[in-house]
Order: sequence, then structure tokens, then C-alpha cells
Amino acid sequence: ETGVTQSPTHLIKTRGQQVTLRCSSQSGHNTVSWYQQALGQGPQFIFQYYREEENGRGNFPPRFSGLQFPNYSSELNVNALELDDSALYLCASSGGVFGWTEAFFGQGTRLTVV
Amino acid sequence: GESVGLHLPTLSVQEGDNSIINCAYSNSASDYFIWYKQESGKGPQFIIDIRSNMDKRQGQRVTVLLNKTVKHLSLQIAATQPGDSAVYFCAENMDGATNKLIFGTGTLLAVQP
Repeated sequence: ETGVTQSPTHLIKTRGQQVTLRCSSQSGHNTVSWYQQALGQGPQFIFQYYREEENGRGNFPPRFSGLQFPNYSSELNVNALELDDSALYLCASSGGVFGWTEAFFGQGTRLTVV
Repeated sequence: GESVGLHLPTLSVQEGDNSIINCAYSNSASDYFIWYKQESGKGPQFIIDIRSNMDKRQGQRVTVLLNKTVKHLSLQIAATQPGDSAVYFCAENMDGATNKLIFGTGTLLAVQP
């Protein structure tokens, strides 16, 4: 186990609704990244948080937003849900903000939009 | 239903054989590479990493080879076991200022007993 925990594990939402996903990072890790993994695909980087600030973003619209808290846990918020948002959402924590540090993933939250 | 995207490249090996999983990465400026294993219903699990100033790194039963000339990465698994059955992803870090990883398509490793 990596020590990265995500909640909930599964979620069903209706198109147009909003959703909040949560992640607790591994002890000692101050950086959290979020990824979206569609079925049969590799994970795609959404954004990264370091010391409560977003410091990197992938090709996702502004309706994907996040927060990081002083204890380094994090939330991913998605507004105006679309059917294509159905995916496994993964949180990864690491001990540093820069590349070449190991990133450990949680088990993910499976979001289904109907 | 629609199955586009579910047809991952598959490598089928016999238990006890060695496995080699290949990956072509996209950016010649990438300087850090990781192999992840993902079992059904779970998040990716770190296997081994390598920096661009190396061409080989060994772990327990696994070896990663990096060929920067042709932008190719491989993962070798010795004495493959049924528990190794999973989807394997290579990932590259293209942005040294963040931990942003770019993942490959993935390869399904099926170990036959």
C-alpha cells in the first residue's frame, strides 16, 4: 500500500452536477497531483498542487479545479459534469515538486456520469 | 458496447519465462522515466525509475533500459510470475518544474501458468 487514500471509491453523478473528490497524501509528502484515466487509456495529468498552490496544469478546462490544505490533503472539484468525465480519477503524492521524484498513486475514485 | 481504447497491446508469456515490455516515449527533452504496474481496479504501482543520465537500472527481478537515441524504454521482468499479470505503463517527465507525467498507452501482460 502507498499510504495515499482517496474517497469515495465509487460515485455516480448526473450530467450537469458538481462533484468533489478527496485525497490524503502519503505522510511527509507535500505535493499532490491529480490524473484522469479513461477506460483502456493511460492516466492524463490534470494539475499539481504544492504548498496549497497550483503549480502545473494539463489540458483540462477551468471547470476542473482543486485545493490543497495545510496538511497537504487535496480536493478535486469538477463542475457542470459531462458524460465524458466518466473515468477513474487518481491522486498521486510525492515528496517534492520537481520532476525525478517518485509519485505514489492512490487506488482512485471511479466516477460515472449518467 | 463501444470498445475503442480497450484493445491494449498484449504480451502473453509462460510462467517462469522472462518478459520484455517496450515503450516509445515522445519528448527527447524528458529526463525522468518511470514504469508503473496497474492491476484491475487499482491505482498504478511504482516499479522502477531511471534518469536520463543512465541507460540501465536494475531492481528486484526488474531491469529498465533507456535508449535516448531512439527514444525507447524497456522493462524486463525475470522469471515472470502469475502475480505479474497486469497492465504496464511507462511514464515520462517532460517538465522538470513539476511532477507532470506523460503516460504511454499501456501493455497488458498475461502470464500463463
